[in-house]
Order: sequence, then structure tokens, then C-alpha cells
Amino acid sequence: GQNIDQPTEMTATEGAIVQINCTYQTSGFNGLFWYQQHAGEAPTFLSYNVLDGLEEKGRFSSFLSRSKGYSYLLLKELQMKDSASYLCAVVDSNYQLIWGAGTKLIIKP
Amino acid sequence: EAQVTQNPRYLITVTGKKLTVTCSQNMNHEYMSWYRQDPGLGLRQIYYSMNVEVTDKGDVPEGYKVSRKEKRNFPLILESPSPNQTSLYFCASSLSDTPNTGELFFGEGSRLTVL
Repeated sequence: GQNIDQPTEMTATEGAIVQINCTYQTSGFNGLFWYQQHAGEAPTFLSYNVLDGLEEKGRFSSFLSRSKGYSYLLLKELQMKDSASYLCAVVDSNYQLIWGAGTKLIIKP
Repeated sequence: EAQVTQNPRYLITVTGKKLTVTCSQNMNHEYMSWYRQDPGLGLRQIYYSMNVEVTDKGDVPEGYKVSRKEKRNFPLILESPSPNQTSLYFCASSLSDTPNTGELFFGEGSRLTVL
């Protein structure tokens, strides 16, 4: 079966750096998305990786290793507003989107 | 403003009473999709549509119907709601003509409770 694994919950301190990991086993691969979802709100797009390597976008970076079935989202200079769930989703060989359950990130002052 | 609009945002209903959740996007997107989100589970796709009059089942289509008569609208119909359809529902759209390779724009969500 197809599977996306992310930690359920993480805690970090304001101003620090946090890395949220995502591992996947899917039938084929056509890209990996990260979305941010604040409680009670809609998911919003953060990044899309289809090739190996690191993509940086401001305070957020996303890394992909296709050979390892692994990605991470790196958040720097954490702010209280970064408290949210972070959703990893993989596009499989049939172009279906497989979603992880999400990682709830709690930021403490 | 580019957006996906869902209505109603909140609804409490009873078992068996037909209901429709509307979804409209103003971005001229080809692709539209419905998801449900339940605690501890990833988003699960209910139905999707690649274009007008073209709809396909997602992972959990049982108990739901959709239609795509116009490009901008993609309503979700629950003919006979049951308590296991209590959930948070999201409509989403995308510009990409290859499924799921472009950013998804989500509506604000519709929280449905079936008693």
C-alpha cells in the first residue's frame, strides 16, 4: 500500500529552527508538496519538489531525496504565527495525491 | 480576488436529509476536487473533475455525488447523509492540466455534522 509518514506533533521555541520530516512509500513518484494549515483553516501551498535537492523560499526550505523516499521542511527564525499543521503530500505514478496525516507544530515563546 | 468559495461553512443536519455543499472558483481553473479531513487522517479525496462534464471518483466516493455543469462550479451532494459523513470538507482547484502537479487552492472548508 501507499504510505506517508510524518511525526504527529513537534514543539519548538520562537526564533529557533525546526525540521519536519516526511518519508513515503508510493507507487511511483511525480512530485512532493508541503502545505501549511492553521487550525480551522484551509491548507495553503508552501512548496513543490520534483527533483532532488534543497529549495529555499524565505524562512522556509524544502528538501527531497527520491532515492531515499524522504523529504523535510525546514523552518528558520520561528515565529508564533508558524504554529500550524504541516502537510506532506506525494503525487504517485497515476498522478494521484497521497496525503500524510500532518505534523502539528507548536511554537513556545 | 482569486478565491475558492464554499457554502455553507457550517451545517448541522439529520440522517437522510439531502444536502448540497456548493463550491465556486473564479480563477478559470480546469481541475477541481473535493476532500474530507478527519482527525488523525490525511486529506482524503472524494471526487475530482478535470473539466466540464468530466468527473471521477477519488478514494472515498461512497455516499457522495458531484456534478460539473459549469467550469467554475463543483457542488458536492449528499443524497442521504449518515453520521459517518460528519467531517470537515474542502473544495480545491488547480490551474494545472496534469492532475496534482500544480498548487491547489482550497476553499475555507465546510464543517458538516450529521446527527
